[in-house]
Amino acid sequence: EVQLVESGGGLVQPGGSLRLSCAASGFSFSSYWMTWVRQAPGKGLEWVANIKQDGREKYYVDSVKGRFTISRENAKNSLFLQMNSLRVEDTAVYYCARGQATIFYWGQGILVTVSS
Amino acid sequence: QSALTQPPSASGSPGQSVTISCTGTSSDVGGYNYVSWYQQYPGKAPKLMIYEVNKRPSGVPDRFSGSKSANTASLTVSGLQAEDEADYYCSSYAGSNNLVFGTGTKVTVL
Repeated sequence: EVQLVESGGGLVQPGGSLRLSCAASGFSFSSYWMTWVRQAPGKGLEWVANIKQDGREKYYVDSVKGRFTISRENAKNSLFLQMNSLRVEDTAVYYCARGQATIFYWGQGILVTVSS
Repeated sequence: QSALTQPPSASGSPGQSVTISCTGTSSDVGGYNYVSWYQQYPGKAPKLMIYEVNKRPSGVPDRFSGSKSANTASLTVSGLQAEDEADYYCSSYAGSNNLVFGTGTKVTVL
């Protein structure tokens, strides 16, 4: 069974940093593109970033470029999202997801709240 | 990277059909056959219902079907059931390894 479990969320002040982690199991992690998707409270889904199987290609939505960094550690079946210079508008549930053009599996999501 | 356009709401009585549209551009929906549809219940993670325009993952009822014409994709739910009441989002590959989601549609079963 495919499982994706996010951790590392919480409350942070504007301008602060947070690192999200995603532990993957039930599939060959190193064989898949991985993606982060977020959903602001009461709003729709927004693609944030994705990363190729070997970690050498990374892509971001314009609003997080230069502030967020996606990475992965295949030996530990783990995906990460380093979030710096956080803004109030980054407040959202962040989902770890498997896939690139199609998201086949989703984690349960982790809440990140940016507020003073 | 503009969101795809969906109607905010759609509704139907049990047993009826409801169709949700998802309008993009030639750079996303119209340019690739990588349109997906997701079902999301309040407080829960999305679930893949349709991928590559009209393919259903294992376990998804055949009441759910997808199609595409030019820059607009559609999801049809036939034989509506109470459990189909949820939010539905489309997504499309948008080139350059980017993905774009729709604005979301709340489906109500009357």
